Amino acid sequence: KAGVTQTPRYLIKTRGQQVTLSCSPISGHRSVSWYQQTPGQGLQFLFEYFSETQRNKGNFPGRFSGRQFSNSRSEMNVSTLELGDSALYLCASTDRGGLGYGYTFGSGTRLTVV
Amino acid sequence: SQELEQSPQSLIVQEGKNLTINCTSSKTLYGLYWYKQKYGEGLIFLMMLQKGGEEKSHEKITAKLDEKKQQSSLHITASQPSHAGIYLCGAPPGGSNYKLTFGKGTLLTVNP
Repeated sequence: KAGVTQTPRYLIKTRGQQVTLSCSPISGHRSVSWYQQTPGQGLQFLFEYFSETQRNKGNFPGRFSGRQFSNSRSEMNVSTLELGDSALYLCASTDRGGLGYGYTFGSGTRLTVV
Repeated sequence: SQELEQSPQSLIVQEGKNLTINCTSSKTLYGLYWYKQKYGEGLIFLMMLQKGGEEKSHEKITAKLDEKKQQSSLHITASQPSHAGIYLCGAPPGGSNYKLTFGKGTLLTVNP
């Protein structure tokens, strides 16, 4: 069973640009959530999608957005990049979320904004 | 909002030694997940604890959940260099079904 796949693994962008990250969940998993990891703030929840609907969003500005496709693959987009957006972006998939359901994480996308 | 505090922040042990990492929650724990992370990489699932008093083991790693103390511990027996990495605890805040709140992590170094 393939794991959670995130592409690309590394990305370098310039301030002001936009970026799109991709996450393919484990087959059969309908929930995909995104996290930002930085040395200062640790892991912070961005948003979660379930069956193509955004169920919840964390405390991030509107520059951060996402979507989920009918095959459960998800993308997140960051517009007007800032230096502070440099981070490891992780996605996690689970069957439906909630107690008792494990969250499997991908290897992450390392975004560097210069 | 729920906060998870991990202790210690970092730990250096000699190969073969036992060690314990703690994760304390500011609010009621409805479940607790332990993950391991190599620097700059994804999180590797270790264990999931759902009920107070629950204890799970996998190879040389044992995790316990003390619901009353709002705390979980991760114990490694006879540590090996392969155990080195960052250990993170995560919990669903308020029993959330869509996200996890994480501790800041414990950096474990195992010297051969």
